[in-house]
Order: sequence, then structure tokens, then C-alpha cells
Amino acid sequence: ETGVTQSPTHLIKTRGQQVTLRCSSQSGHNTVSWYQQALGQGPQFIFQYYREEENGRGNFPPRFSGLQFPNYSSELNVNALELDDSALYLCASSSDRGHTGELFFGEGSRLTVL
Amino acid sequence: AQSVTQLDSQVPVFEEAPVELRCNYSSSVSVYLFWYVQYPNQGLQLLLKYLSGSTLVKGINGFEAEFNKSQTSFHLRKPSVHISDTAEYFCAVSAPYSSASKIIFGSGTRLSIRP
Repeated sequence: ETGVTQSPTHLIKTRGQQVTLRCSSQSGHNTVSWYQQALGQGPQFIFQYYREEENGRGNFPPRFSGLQFPNYSSELNVNALELDDSALYLCASSSDRGHTGELFFGEGSRLTVL
Repeated sequence: AQSVTQLDSQVPVFEEAPVELRCNYSSSVSVYLFWYVQYPNQGLQLLLKYLSGSTLVKGINGFEAEFNKSQTSFHLRKPSVHISDTAEYFCAVSAPYSSASKIIFGSGTRLSIRP
């Protein structure tokens, strides 16, 4: 069974740039959720994709966008990067939108915005 | 809407001593409750969950938690900790049958084990 994998693991960008983060979901899972974890805080929900459709969004501006592909992998795109976007971005996969709350997390992509 | 409060940001404890990490929640409806663990430089891993039934829930690595509806708490306990338990622990809450988008995480408790 293949777990959740994220890439890249670390990256550094400057203000105003754009970034794309990638996530491969666990085998058999059709739902991907993205979280932002700032230093010293718990994960904050960004959005979720279920069968290629957005299925819920947290309190994040439109410059945070995403995609889910037919193989259920996913991308998180952030435009016009701001210093406060520096964080660990976590992808979590689950089956059927995660109704039982069991999320399988990747190790995250640590983004630093200078 | 649900919310969760982890009362301690850091808990230092000696190896082989017992530990309790506190979690309180707020909700107007019934809840699902979770504890996740995050080891250094890793993602989160589910430690245990309460969906219904017995209020005492056993998880991986010898951890257990007790759901107390009257006190709206879901404290995590381990009778004897090991150095390898050093990690950040997150309590989380959601409403039953809601999607993963409704899982609310606490701010975390850093457990540090002293030899």
C-alpha cells in the first residue's frame, strides 16, 4: 500500500511569486484535503477535493486554488505569495470525504516566502 | 460549529512517568473526537478516535483517551512514556458524518520526554 507523498519537501520563494505543491493520495482514496500549518499552530483547513470536484473550502483567499486529477492526485497553487504564506502545507487523503475522520497525511511541503 | 482547546502548549515529563494531555471541546451537536501525533519533520498520524460506544478509547503506542461528555473533555493518557513519544499531539473534533473539511484541530501540545 503506497502512502501519501508530497513534493517538493522544501522550497523558498519571494513575495509575489507563484507556487505549485503536489500530492499523491494513498491507494484507494478518492478524497484529498489540504491544510496550512503555521509554526506552532495546528493545521488549518484550506480546501478538499472529492472525485475531482472542490468539496468544501476554509477561510483562505481565492489566490489559493487547487486541482484533483482522475488518478486522485492533487495540486495546491498559491499566487501572489505573501510573507504570511510561509508554513508547512499538508496534504491528507481519505476515502469518501473522510466521514470517519481518519485522514492519512503526507510529510508536508515546507514553504518559505522571503 | 465545533471548537477545540488544548490547555497545555508544552508538557515536559520524565521517561517512564505517566502523562496526561488535556483537550476540551465545544459543540452544540454530538461529536467525533480524535488525537493525532506529529513526530519531528513528519506529517500527522492518527493515534486514536472516538466515534461512539465505549468512552474509553485505546490507540496505538499504548495511548488511551476518555470521552467525558459532561465535562466536554477528551484527555489523552499514557501510563509510562518513552523517549520515542517525543512529538506534537493534536486534538481534533468534527460533527458525525461531516466531511474532512469539518475536522477542527487544536493548537497542539508539545510533549518532551526527559531521560
